[in-house]
Amino acid sequence: AQSVTQLGSHVSVSEGALVLLRCNYSSSVPPYLFWYVQYPNQGLQLLLKYTSAATLVKGINGFEAEFKKSETSFHLTKPSAHMSDAAEYFCAVSWKGGGNKLTFGTGTQLKVEL
Amino acid sequence: GAVVSQHPSWVICKSGTSVKIECRSLDFQATTMFWYRQFPKQSLMLMATSNEGSKATYEQGVEKDKFLINHASLTLSTLTVTSAHPEDSSFYICSASPGLGDFNEQFFGPGTRLTVL
Repeated sequence: AQSVTQLGSHVSVSEGALVLLRCNYSSSVPPYLFWYVQYPNQGLQLLLKYTSAATLVKGINGFEAEFKKSETSFHLTKPSAHMSDAAEYFCAVSWKGGGNKLTFGTGTQLKVEL
Repeated sequence: GAVVSQHPSWVICKSGTSVKIECRSLDFQATTMFWYRQFPKQSLMLMATSNEGSKATYEQGVEKDKFLINHASLTLSTLTVTSAHPEDSSFYICSASPGLGDFNEQFFGPGTRLTVL
């Protein structure tokens, strides 16, 4: 079975500071990993995905994530936070042969302060 | 990008009534649609997967007779909560994918907030 754990339901950073949102996965087969962002009253938007190509994945809005098999992690980072980054972020896992099903983490609410 | 809409965005109903939620892909044909449920402060839980023209596949623990899913066309899927009860109150989110199988991106709707009194 596949699962995702997001450490920290709330993360607060200052504008211009590094953003680090943590995601660890558990999978019995090689996983595909995703980060989604959800703004209030909007649907989830794909930030980036790892599908067994390059381990460092760059996404939209300056975000990137690195797949580390040894640590079973896929943490999301952004060098400099912007006020517009405030949102809920979800890590999700899928797998080959899984029929495109996604298993989500519990989400991390990112707050950006002046 | 691909747009998925949901209607209504929120609904309040009395216990025992049925509620229908629509999910539409506005600018692409959705071979597969997914329905999720999200409780406050919790993750999205997949309820069922539907492919156009065939019966939905429900996840373990989801009552198919209570949550009726119809994927009648390549742009529309509906979720009907039958004989709704307060414990069915939740945020329901759909997603649509243009292809079958792995790696086809899911595009998410904005969700529907259901409150059962």
